[in-house]
Amino acid sequence: GDSVTQMEGPVTLSEEAFLTINCTYTATGYPSLFWYVQYPGEGLQLLLKATKADDKGSNKGFEATYRKETTSFHLEKGSVQVSDSAVYFCALSDQGNTPLVFGKGTRLSVIA
Amino acid sequence: EAGVAQSPRYKIIEKRQSVAFWCNPISGHATLYWYQQILGQGPKLLIQFQNNGVVDDSQLPKDRFSAERLKGVDSTLKIQPAKLEDSAVYLCASSARTAANTGELFFGEGSRLTVL
Repeated sequence: GDSVTQMEGPVTLSEEAFLTINCTYTATGYPSLFWYVQYPGEGLQLLLKATKADDKGSNKGFEATYRKETTSFHLEKGSVQVSDSAVYFCALSDQGNTPLVFGKGTRLSVIA
Repeated sequence: EAGVAQSPRYKIIEKRQSVAFWCNPISGHATLYWYQQILGQGPKLLIQFQNNGVVDDSQLPKDRFSAERLKGVDSTLKIQPAKLEDSAVYLCASSARTAANTGELFFGEGSRLTVL
């Protein structure tokens, strides 16, 4: 079945450091790919998405590029802030009316 | 715009007891989801409703879990009897589109269940 694998956390970075959170997927079809974020005390919210190969999703300084050849969708940010501290989930949805499949999540802590 | 509302936020019960969680989706959202998130894991879909009909309940442990969505709005998830392994956060989400691969699911803050 479909699955998502994310790098293990927690990840601790200093403010203004570069962030990469790796995500790879397995899917039978041609999925859409997503990053969701969960800030402390809040619900999951969509951060960015990409629906076809080579698409780049971006939001709030975060970016991720849909790489079909490597089945990856790595999340990057050039300069993290303390306010980026959260749990980040990579997810996919295969074609059709299929529900989101999530990775295990990666906790990011940014220290000043 | 009001978000997805869930209650209770926290619940502690003994094993073999029952518990119910309530969800009110965003107004006008036709699709409603219940996910289970065990500590250290990603959310796992339990059931998906389209209006008041079930689209997918293949991962719902039907011997102990039940869910309904009366009138296509609010939803209730029940566990009876609870087991220790049911300790988790139960997330409700809604979306405006029928196709989940639009990806724009709106989540509530979740209901944290501890089974002792």
